Amino acid sequence: AQSVTQLDSQVPVFEEAPVELRCNYSSSVSVYLFWYVQYPNQGLQLLLKYLSGSTLVKGINGFEAEFNKSQTSFHLRKPSVHISDTAEYFCAVSATNAGKSTFGDGTTLTVKP
Amino acid sequence: DSGVTQTPKHLITATGQRVTLRCSPRSGDLSVYWYQQSLDQGLQFLIQYYNGEERAKGNILERFSAQQFPDLHSELNLSSLELGDSALYFCASRPSGDSYEQYFGPGTRLTVT
Repeated sequence: AQSVTQLDSQVPVFEEAPVELRCNYSSSVSVYLFWYVQYPNQGLQLLLKYLSGSTLVKGINGFEAEFNKSQTSFHLRKPSVHISDTAEYFCAVSATNAGKSTFGDGTTLTVKP
Repeated sequence: DSGVTQTPKHLITATGQRVTLRCSPRSGDLSVYWYQQSLDQGLQFLIQYYNGEERAKGNILERFSAQQFPDLHSELNLSSLELGDSALYFCASRPSGDSYEQYFGPGTRLTVT
């Protein structure tokens, strides 16, 4: 079984500052990793995914994440945030031999002017 | 727009009642997932169907059931409703193949009074 821990439940940050949302996972098998974003009153939307290859993955809206196998982490970063990035962010993991994803509890990113 | 549709958008009903939530996956997607999102429990995986067959079960109560029809749309049935069942219910679909990202619908907000 897989598990996901998002280390921060809330991250407040000022506009144009950099941000990192932390995600650790646990799995006894190879995994795929995902970050999703949920804007208020909407469903989740895929930000980026790691399947294989380069450990630095670029996604939409200027976000990127780095897969670190030794530390079992998949932290999400953005060098300069905007007010419109205010949302909840979910890290998710899927075993490569199963179609079900396990989601973390979410991190609420609040960007302040 | 993810291509996943859910109806109704909002549902208000009384305790003890039964409701049916409907989901149409993206064209060509065979897998459908159901999730419950509440403030106290976060995003909880309920059940997965693949081409009409149940594939995985999560934290789904016995009062809840689901099915996927030959045209691939899915329904989630919630019965003997309790106040604690009030939540957002999301449906997601997944493309076939080795990439396990999910595409989420806009959700159905269920309020049990």
